[in-house]
Amino acid sequence: DADVTQTPRNRITKTGKRIMLECSQTKGHDRMYWYRQDPGLGLRLIYYSFDVKDINKGEISDGYSVSRQAQAKFSLSLESAIPNQTALYFCATSAWNQETQYFGPGTRLLVL
Amino acid sequence: QQQVKQSPQSLIVQKGGISIINCAYENTAFDYFPWYQQFPGKGPALLIAIRPDVSEKKEGRFTISFNKSAKQFSLHIMDSQPGDSATYFCAEETSGSRLTFGEGTQLTVNP
Repeated sequence: DADVTQTPRNRITKTGKRIMLECSQTKGHDRMYWYRQDPGLGLRLIYYSFDVKDINKGEISDGYSVSRQAQAKFSLSLESAIPNQTALYFCATSAWNQETQYFGPGTRLLVL
Repeated sequence: QQQVKQSPQSLIVQKGGISIINCAYENTAFDYFPWYQQFPGKGPALLIAIRPDVSEKKEGRFTISFNKSAKQFSLHIMDSQPGDSATYFCAEETSGSRLTFGEGTQLTVNP
């Protein structure tokens, strides 16, 4: 079984809709991250959390919100989706004492 | 704002050749520079990483060369294989144990 899972894997939505992307991990890591990937722009950090009570904005947090429901779960919400939020979204985790980040398989989001 | 500049954007190499991807960074305060490898339909995975107290690190066919004075580091893939075809990202560790990634390089190794 995968250590970092993301649901859904693919999603098509319409402008103005609220959607939630979910991430779960079985690695026992404290730190979790949300990134978006766009061609030519690499991976950009949206939000990150170092424990359940810690939430921090990343490089491109506008238009997004997150919830850390438990150590193992970190959700990303788009309150009112817009077409330029069409992208590939990745969740990642890391241990508190290691730099390596472990990525999920990604969610491909299309906003019409 | 991208603090790590990566080039080239795409690279085509023949099987057995050497693939070279370059990155330039701005912030000299941090000390961890990883490379991630991403296959189509998958999330990125750590390939190899270096700290600036050494100028080179080698793991199998993969080598990172680090030039602290020039604020540059590069990934060399020796004897490139079709299975190496993937997107490669360099990164720099920034404050708060976050990673800032380069734009990515799509490598194609022709048989």
